[in-house]
Amino acid sequence: QVQLVESGGGVVQPGKSLRLSCAASGFTFSDYEMHWVRQAPGRGLDWVASISYDGSNKYFADSVKGRFTISRDESKNLVDLQMNSLRAEDSAVYYCVRGTAAGDYWGQGALVTVSS
Amino acid sequence: DIQLTQSPSILSASVGDRVTITCRASQIISDWLAWYQQKPGKAPKLLIYKTSSLESGVPSRFSGSGSGTEFTLTISSLQPDDFATYYCQQYNHYWTFGQGTRVEIK
Repeated sequence: QVQLVESGGGVVQPGKSLRLSCAASGFTFSDYEMHWVRQAPGRGLDWVASISYDGSNKYFADSVKGRFTISRDESKNLVDLQMNSLRAEDSAVYYCVRGTAAGDYWGQGALVTVSS
Repeated sequence: DIQLTQSPSILSASVGDRVTITCRASQIISDWLAWYQQKPGKAPKLLIYKTSSLESGVPSRFSGSGSGTEFTLTISSLQPDDFATYYCQQYNHYWTFGQGTRVEIK
């Protein structure tokens, strides 16, 4: 069965960096675009970044452009989100999502708290 | 950027009611629209994709319609398990989500 498992969340000070990883299993990883979506406490869903099936195309929300990067490792079935220069407003649950169109499978989420 | 506006933000309804949620896009998105259900503390669950296609395993009381810039999600007969928050999403150009509609017990 399809599984997406996020790791790497935690508490980090403003201005610091954090790297989230998503381990994918149960499907042919190289066939799918992958995405990160976040949700601040009590708020709605907010798309963060996407990476094409082969890693050649990467897209970012304006709010994270220049600070976040996305990558994938086909040999390990991993998709990573490198978050630099973190701000308080980046605090959220970050979901890893599979989808070449809509997001059909979501991970359980990783909580990131940016606080001094 | 494409903006999505859902209405209403909160919907109070009873079991058995027919409920409709609307999603309006700031520009034409063809039929590249999806609907998700989210319960507290859980990840969103895909219900509908490509405006009206029902995701596998989703009950047939859920349906979607629309085109261009105006879309609707309809639950034909609300069940106790349906009280949740619903989000629309466009995937015509990157991804954007609506702000959500909370369906609560009347």
